[in-house]
This record gives sequence, C-alpha cells and structure tokens, in this order.
Amino acid sequence: DTAVSQTPKYLVTQMGNDKSIKCEQNLGHDTMYWYKQDSKKFLKIMFSYNNKELIINETVPNRFSPKSPDKAHLNLHINSLELGDSAVYFCASSQTTLGVTSGSTDTQYFGPGTRLTVL
Amino acid sequence: AQSVTQPDIHITVSEGASLELRCNYSYGATPYLFWYVQSPGQGLQLLLKYFSGDTLVQGIKGFEAEFKRSQSSFNLRKPSVHWSDAAEYFCAVVPTGSGGGADGLTFGKGTHLIIQP
Repeated sequence: DTAVSQTPKYLVTQMGNDKSIKCEQNLGHDTMYWYKQDSKKFLKIMFSYNNKELIINETVPNRFSPKSPDKAHLNLHINSLELGDSAVYFCASSQTTLGVTSGSTDTQYFGPGTRLTVL
Repeated sequence: AQSVTQPDIHITVSEGASLELRCNYSYGATPYLFWYVQSPGQGLQLLLKYFSGDTLVQGIKGFEAEFKRSQSSFNLRKPSVHWSDAAEYFCAVVPTGSGGGADGLTFGKGTHLIIQP
C-alpha cells in the first residue's frame, strides 16, 4: 500500500488556468506538507499543515492555496498558472509537525511527486 | 541566514569504489539532519537521520553519515557503491522554527551521483 500518494503524476496545462493536485496519506499522520522542486532540482517547502495550524512559507504566491478536507488529505490549488510554476510538486507527511522547537523528530514521508508543466 | 550547502553538484564514482558526499549547514544551534535519495522519476526516500547521540549514523542501503559539530558537517558515506546508487542525494535539516517560515525540511541543492562501470 502506498503511504503517501499524489494525483495526477503529470499535469500539463495552459497559462492562466486553475488546477489542483491531490495528496492523500494513509499513515494516520497529523501533519502534511507541500514542497516545490524546480528545474534545477532545488526543493523548497511551501506549506506545512496540521489540524491546528497552516504555516505558509512567505515566498509562496497567494495563487497557491492548500485545502484539507480531512486529516488524510492536503490538496494544492493553484490559480492563474504562470510559466514559472512549472516544477515537480511533492506532498509529504509526518506524525507530528517536524521541527526543533516542537521537539518532534518524526520522519517525513514523501509522495512520488506531480510534474506540472505550464505552457 | 540559515542554509544547507552541498558543494558538489555532480560526483562520478566507479562501481565498487567508496563514496563521500559533503553537506554543511549554517545554523545557530545544531539542527536535526537528514539525507534523502531521489532516484530518477521517483520521490524522496530517507536514507538516515541524526538528532542526537552517537555522531556516526547508520542508514539503509549500506549508507552511513557522520555528524561533526566543529565542522558543521554531516557527510554521507558508502564503502562500495553499486550501479543502483546512481541518483540525486539531498542533505536536509530542520531549522530552528523561528522567523515565520513553514516547519519542515530545508534542503540543500542536491548532489547528482553518477556511477561508472
């Protein structure tokens, strides 16, 4: 069974469109994340979310919004897609919110990624 | 600013040879440290992690890493590489959690490992 799954695996769309990427984890984790990997393979966190708090990386445009219908899902909605949004997007989860201040040392599990291409 | 540096963008190693991938971090306090591997077209898999205690950490697939506080380093090693080790390797840390950034992993830019027959 896949622990963290994402759909679709590939997404090709036109500039200006609105699209969503779905993420589901069956690990019973409390916290989920979205990362963006650019064309140079640089990975950067976009959001972390648990049932109490959404933390947004300040560099993420407000065209991006995570939506969590329940604890097992964190979907990524992107409005008015731009060429620069082309990247691979990874979803991840951990039992608790990973962080030195929270004291959590949980492992973060990643999904297989969604390759978004904006034409 | 807090950062993770992987100085080598590409490394080429002959099959059977030893490997060391470098990682340096710049944080006020010792962060939590991780190594992940990404095979072509795949997601990220955790190789090993360090939080405290023994500075030599054993991971999966025969990898190990050594934390050196004096050098702010967490280098990944393997005594004998296999062709299947060809992949992208990422060092990552958990930052101190202050400053308004999202909790989670901060990644280095990755090292692309090429295995020569």
